[in-house]
Parts: sequence; C-alpha cells; structure tokens
Amino acid sequence: AQTVTQSQPEMSVQEAETVTLSCTYDTSESDYYLFWYKQPPSRQMILVIRQEAYKQQNATENRFSVNFQKAAKSFSLKISDSQLGDAAMYFCACANFGNEKLTFGTGTRLTIIP
Amino acid sequence: DVKVTQSSRYLVKRTGEKVFLECVQDMDHENMFWYRQDPGLGLRLIYFSYDVKMKEKGDIPEGYSVSREKKERFSLILESASTNQTSMYLCASSFGQRGLYEQYFGPGTRLTVT
Repeated sequence: AQTVTQSQPEMSVQEAETVTLSCTYDTSESDYYLFWYKQPPSRQMILVIRQEAYKQQNATENRFSVNFQKAAKSFSLKISDSQLGDAAMYFCACANFGNEKLTFGTGTRLTIIP
Repeated sequence: DVKVTQSSRYLVKRTGEKVFLECVQDMDHENMFWYRQDPGLGLRLIYFSYDVKMKEKGDIPEGYSVSREKKERFSLILESASTNQTSMYLCASSFGQRGLYEQYFGPGTRLTVT
C-alpha cells in the first residue's frame, strides 16, 4: 500500500511571493506517477502538475514547479509570483504504474495575503 | 473540456434513508471513482469502476454500494444513511489507458445526514 503525507495543514504567503508546499510519499513500486491537485473554494478540483517517476527532470507548468527527490521520496510544489487566485486546498497524490487509483494526502490550505 | 457533473451540490437526508448520488461524465472515460472528503483526512476512495458493470472496493466501502449500468454514469448508493456519512462526496473519471492517470473531478455533493 502506498501512503502520501502532507505535513503542513495550512500555509500562507504574501501576494507576488514564492511558497513551497511539502509532500512525502511511500511506495514499494519503482514506476509511479505523482500529482498536485488544486481545489479552490467551492470549485472543482483540477490538476496542477504531474511528474513521472522515471523522469529526472522536474516538471514545470508556468508559475508552478516541483522539486522531485526520488531517493528521499519527496515531491514539493513551488508556486512563484503567488496570485490571489492561487488560494485553495492543494492535494498531493500518487499512482503506481498499472494501477489507476490515486492515493491522496490530507491537503494543505494555502492562503494568499494581499 | 472534460465535464463531470454530479446530481446535487447539497443534499440533506434523514438517518435510515436510502440515498442515491449520481455522477455523469461526457468524455467516454473507462474509469470512474467515488471519494469522500473530510477535513484532515483528505480524499478517501470508496469505490472504483473500470468498466460498465465492473466495480472494485476502495479503502472505505462499508455502508456504500455502487452501480454502473452505462459507461457515462456512476451512482453511489447509501443503503441506510447514518450521521457518520455526513461528508463531501466527489466523483471523478479518467481514461483507462496506461500512462493517462489524470482524474477529472465533479463539483462535489455535500451530504448532511440528520
């Protein structure tokens, strides 16, 4: 069984600053996928970024990037130039290759301070 | 755009009632999922379906059942609702091809059992 841990229940950041959300995971598989999902208040959850474990290069999507440390089983999300629209719950998730079920962390609530 | 819809945003039911939560996706996805989301617990998988009439138990299936008679529709059934089933219920869907694990979520149904 895999586990995903988000140790920061809440985070806050000043608008335009950079914030990093932490995630660690544990899986016995060597091939897997990692995700960050965003759930804005009263809105649908959407995918922010994904990382294939076999890729050494860290994924980036505009202002969002990850720091993937495979040996440490760490997968943090960095948000640069934070905007008010980034305020949301962020969930880290993991899926083993060949198994399409995701295991989610408990989430981090991010507040943006104007 | 992928669209996943859920029959109700808010639902109030009494203890002992039979409750149906409906989910419809319009992208011909093979996989569909039901989660419940509780503060501090993240998303927990209730049931998963990888094809019509096929289902698989998730992490917390007790007290729930599911039905998938058509590819686009996945129903969650609470046979006899209890107060500890008060929660946010999220439906999701994904392609069934290996390597495409992204799940698309519905807006959620907030169920209150009194």
